[in-house]
Amino acid sequence: EPEVTQTPSHQVTQMGQEVILRCVPISNHLYFYWYRQILGQKVEFLVSFYNNEISEKSEIFDDQFSVERPDGSNFTLKIRSTKLEDSAMYFCASSDGGPGKDGYTFGSGTRLTVV
Amino acid sequence: QKEVEQDPGPLSVPEGAIVSLNCTYSNSAFQYFMWYRQYSRKGPELLMYTYSSGNKEDGRFTAQVDKSSKYISLFIRDSQPSDSATYLCAMSRMYSGGGADGLTFGKGTHLIIQP
Repeated sequence: EPEVTQTPSHQVTQMGQEVILRCVPISNHLYFYWYRQILGQKVEFLVSFYNNEISEKSEIFDDQFSVERPDGSNFTLKIRSTKLEDSAMYFCASSDGGPGKDGYTFGSGTRLTVV
Repeated sequence: QKEVEQDPGPLSVPEGAIVSLNCTYSNSAFQYFMWYRQYSRKGPELLMYTYSSGNKEDGRFTAQVDKSSKYISLFIRDSQPSDSATYLCAMSRMYSGGGADGLTFGKGTHLIIQP
């Protein structure tokens, strides 16, 4: 069964450093997303990406965040200057028809720890 | 009032019991309703997807949506210990075609099926 692949599975970084989280969505999917889940809290939407541009972003997705699809297979989330409160699980997801078709396929996540 | 409310549990039931999980929501614009299962430190896995009101059945799982009450349910029949996980409800607005709306999640209900 096709899956969304995320690397690394765990990233530890110093506060103020830049991190790039990587995702390989399912190959025929057109819509890509990033979500985060702070420990013990709900999964929160960050951003959606379609046709090489951001479709929607939440209030969490401020200027320190950016996304990119640098080639035909990867989808990345960059956090420019990490803060302690950025520590969370970050999930990438992809879909072939937007959220209303068959839901999304989520990756297993990258656990980001900011120290 | 939070947009999506879900009792975090834990909900503990004996093997073979019928499990009822539910969420309430406040945003009448939500049209797509999903249930995800999440194991510890893993990404959410889609279980059921429903558009607008009505029921949907898939094996031991039944999803119900009552838009007039802004209430959705997931029933699990003949529950198994392997069903022990956190169950997340998620929903989104009408897919606009030009973009992709993010999902709004409930906090998740931690379900324990006792052998």
